This record gives sequence, structure tokens and C-alpha cells, in this order.
Amino acid sequence: NAGVMQNPRHLVRRRGQEARLRCSPMKGHSHVYWYRQLPEEGLKFMVYLQKENIIDESGMPKERFSAEFPKEGPSILRIQQVVRGDSAAYFCASSPTGLGEKLFFGSGTQLSVL
Amino acid sequence: RKEVEQDPGPFNVPEGATVAFNCTYSNSASQSFFWYRQDCRKEPKLLMSVYSSGNEDGRFTAQLNRASQYISLLIRDSKLSDSATYLCVVQAAGNKLTFGGGTRVLVKP
Repeated sequence: NAGVMQNPRHLVRRRGQEARLRCSPMKGHSHVYWYRQLPEEGLKFMVYLQKENIIDESGMPKERFSAEFPKEGPSILRIQQVVRGDSAAYFCASSPTGLGEKLFFGSGTQLSVL
Repeated sequence: RKEVEQDPGPFNVPEGATVAFNCTYSNSASQSFFWYRQDCRKEPKLLMSVYSSGNEDGRFTAQLNRASQYISLLIRDSKLSDSATYLCVVQAAGNKLTFGGGTRVLVKP
């Protein structure tokens, strides 16, 4: 049973480009969380999704950021028109139940904006 | 006030010593509490859940104080491999999981 798979591991974008981060949850997991971690800071909640539904997006910036978790395929975190301040590690976690003790993280995507 | 607050540290701990640190949370309706561990900005991993009655897992003891809205983690007989950032996680209704900023622990020989 593969773990939570995130790709790419490292993503370099120039200012103004789009960044797409992918997360394939563990098999049987229908709950997905996205977190952002800036250098020297903790994990900041961004969005919580279940299949085809956004449950809580209270941590998402109002503009340029969107997330989806389609019926088939991975969850996608999309950042349009990236700026330098978007440079961070983006972690995805999945859970079969949405409960904290069953939360498993991917290895993260390190986004660098030049 | 942040939803979940932790002393960032670092806590410099001699090998074999005991270290303890707390995490405070602001939402009195929070339902579940956890400690996660993160090494060198790798993915966080669950260390232990925190139960109302307190619980122990080997050298690690977690406590919950609902009245004062904090949880604690105590590490006995610290090992070099315990050096990491310890993340407090609070779960409220609706399954949203909020992480604290982490407490960095450095165990030295």
C-alpha cells in the first residue's frame, strides 16, 4: 500500500507562471488536507477536501489559489500567477476518516519562485 | 491570538534528561488533540494522540488540561534521536486540523 504521493518534489517557477501540485492519497482515503510551510514557520492549514467537495477552505488565500479533489485522479493545488511569497513547502495529507490519528503526510512539494 | 500556540524553543536537552513543553489552544470546543513530530522539514508523522486521562507511550507522556486549554508532552531519558520539532495539533468539529508552530528540541551528548 503506497503512501501519500506528492509530485513534483521540487518545482521551480518564474513570477507570473502557474504552479500545479499533485497529491495522490493513500488507497482507501477520501479525505485530503493541504498545508503550507514557510521557512522557519509551522504548517498552515489551507484546505480540506473530500472527493469532489471542498469542505473547508478557510486557509486558502482569496485570490490565485484553488484546490480540487475529483472523483478520479489526484487532488490538485493550483497557484496562478505565482509570486516570490508563494515559495514554500506544500504538504498534502490524507485520511480514511478525517480524524487526526489517521492522518498521513506526503513528502511535500518545495515550490521555489524566481 | 493564534488558534494553537507553542514555544518555538529550541529546548537544549542533555542526553538522558527529561524535557517537557506545552501547547495552548484557543477554541474551547476543540475535540481531539495530537502530537506530531517533524524532522528537518520532512513530512510530519504522528507521535501520539492525547487523551483526557493522559497517556503514556514508552518515554513519552502526553497530558490534556481542558480547563486551562493546554496539552503537554514530556520526554524522559532523552535520546539523540529525539531531536526534532514537535507539533501540537488540535482538531475541532468539522475535522479541521490546526497545527501549532512547533517546538524545537535539540538533544546533545
